[in-house]
Order: sequence, then C-alpha cells, then structure tokens
Amino acid sequence: ETGVTQSPTHLIKTRGQQVTLRCSSQSGHNTVSWYQQALGQGPQFIFQYYREEENGRGNFPPRFSGLQFPNYSSELNVNALELDDSALYLCASSWTLAGGQDTQYFGPGTRLTVL
Amino acid sequence: LAKTTQPISMDSYEGQEVNITCSHNNIATNDYITWYQQFPSQGPRFIIQGYKTKVTNEVASLFIPADRKSSTLSLPRVSLSDTAVYYCLVGDGRSSGDKLTFGTGTRLAVRP
Repeated sequence: ETGVTQSPTHLIKTRGQQVTLRCSSQSGHNTVSWYQQALGQGPQFIFQYYREEENGRGNFPPRFSGLQFPNYSSELNVNALELDDSALYLCASSWTLAGGQDTQYFGPGTRLTVL
Repeated sequence: LAKTTQPISMDSYEGQEVNITCSHNNIATNDYITWYQQFPSQGPRFIIQGYKTKVTNEVASLFIPADRKSSTLSLPRVSLSDTAVYYCLVGDGRSSGDKLTFGTGTRLAVRP
C-alpha cells in the first residue's frame, strides 16, 4: 500500500505567477483534501474533491482552484500568486462512503515560497 | 465544528508519561475526537481516534470522560523523537469530518 505523495517538494515563484501542485492519493482512497499551513499555524482547509467534483471549500479566494482525476489524484492551482501564499501545502486522502468518511492521511507537503 | 482548546506548549523528559488535555465543550453527539502529530515541514500524522471512554493503540491512549467535553491524549514513556506539535480535532461522522479544523496545537518538547 503506497502512501500519499506530493510534488514538487519545494517551489519558488514570484508574485503574479501561477503554480500547480500535485498529489497522488493513498491506494484505495477516493477523496482528496487540500490544506494550507503558514509558518507556526495549524493547517487551514482549502477544499476537498470527491468523485472529481469539489465537495466543500474553506475561506479561500477563487484564484485557488483544483482538479481531481479519474485515478483520484489531484492538482491544486493558484493564480496571481501573492506573498502571503507562501506556505506548506498539504494534501490528505481518505475513503468516502455514503454517510461517512474515514480518517484523512496526509502527504509530506509542498513548500511554496513566493518572492 | 466544535472548537477545541489545548495548551500551547508542554515540556517533558525522556521516559516520562505525557498527558495532553483538550477541551471541546460544544462537541456534538455525532462528533469523534481525533489526534494528529506533526513534525516540522511534514504532514500531520494520524495518532488515535475515539468517541467515548478509552481507546488504546500501539503508540498512545485516548481518555474521554462521560460528558465528552474534554479528552486526554496519553503518550507512555516519551522519547526525544516524540518532540512535535499535537493537534486535537473534533468533527462529524466516522473521522474528524470532511473539513478538518486545526487549532494551533500543543508543542511538546522532550528533553534528555
């Protein structure tokens, strides 16, 4: 059984650029959630994807968008990068059944630095 | 989602038992309590989850009183490698819910 993987591990961008982060869910999982973690803070929920559709969103602007693919992997896209977008971006996968969802398992994260 | 309150930091020594208590006064009937551990620049790692009374696994125990308004994570005989941030979460359904809400966590420092 493979765990959650994310790529790249580190990324440096400049203000105004766009970035795409990738996540491969754990084997057998069908749901992917994305979180942003600023230095010294707990992770903040961005959004979740289930069956290739967005299934809940946190308090993040529309320039944060995502995709989920048929193999349950996912992408997080951020447009018009701002300095405050510098953070550790975490992907978590889980198994969702009707009426409930199992424990979320996190990947190692992608460290994004915006200059 | 119910709000949780934890101590900001705790110190301990190797070999001691560490108990971290979390308050969740507004926990709902269907909410489970879940604890995660996070090392610097890594994703949170699931430790343990429970609904009531006591749950034990190979790394920790979780004690939940009858009113469920608090819970205590117990780490037996900690080592230096247990130095990390520990998060308590409560949420709907089987897990902490589809939208995990993290607080600032408890920063545990284990000293030799």
